[in-house]
Amino acid sequence: SQTIHQWPATLVQPVGSPLSLECTVEGTSNPNLYWYRQAAGRGLQLLFYSIGIDQISSEVPQNLSASRPQDRQFILSSKKLLLSDSGFYLCAWSVQGARESPLHFGNGTRLTVT
Amino acid sequence: AQKITQTQPGMFVQEKEAVTLDCTYDTSDPSYGLFWYKQPSSGEMIFLIYQGSYDQQNATEGRYSLNFQKARKSANLVISASQLGDSAMYFCAMREGQFGSARQLTFGSGTQLTVLP
Repeated sequence: SQTIHQWPATLVQPVGSPLSLECTVEGTSNPNLYWYRQAAGRGLQLLFYSIGIDQISSEVPQNLSASRPQDRQFILSSKKLLLSDSGFYLCAWSVQGARESPLHFGNGTRLTVT
Repeated sequence: AQKITQTQPGMFVQEKEAVTLDCTYDTSDPSYGLFWYKQPSSGEMIFLIYQGSYDQQNATEGRYSLNFQKARKSANLVISASQLGDSAMYFCAMREGQFGSARQLTFGSGTQLTVLP
């Protein structure tokens, strides 16, 4: 069966520090991968999605970047965090080419920038 | 314009009763899919049910059913026989596009459901 791992679960970082959140998927190959952010009490905002290694689309101009160095690994990064980067970050995967395939989410990372 | 609209920020329901969570969507693409997710206070997103735009029948999954009214562009979630564990935030989401296209889900703002004992 497929599983998705996302870490860390919580993170407190000072303004101006770098960020690296990692996500890996097991049990499937060539998945679509996604990073979403959720502000407190709000819906989910898509940040990045990827259909393959080094194929990444950015949905919102921002202080963040994403990379996919391996087929089932997706990394969210920042060189210098801003206060506005605080939020709940969710990684997800879906089956390639299947409209009915739901997104399967990791447990999320709660990031607080101080 | 909002692609997914959930007009109920919060809902209350008595345990064992049914509840309907509203969702309307906006798309000009004839091919799309609609999804509902549950997010408990712990934060994980749990997939509940899917409805395709070409599906002839309303989707059902256990106590969850989707009241799909294509002409009205609505896809309301019905939870029957509510349980205390159903208390959570519920999100409606849509994917537009043909089979084979890599498309993200666009989410609504959510409805916080509270089940009362």
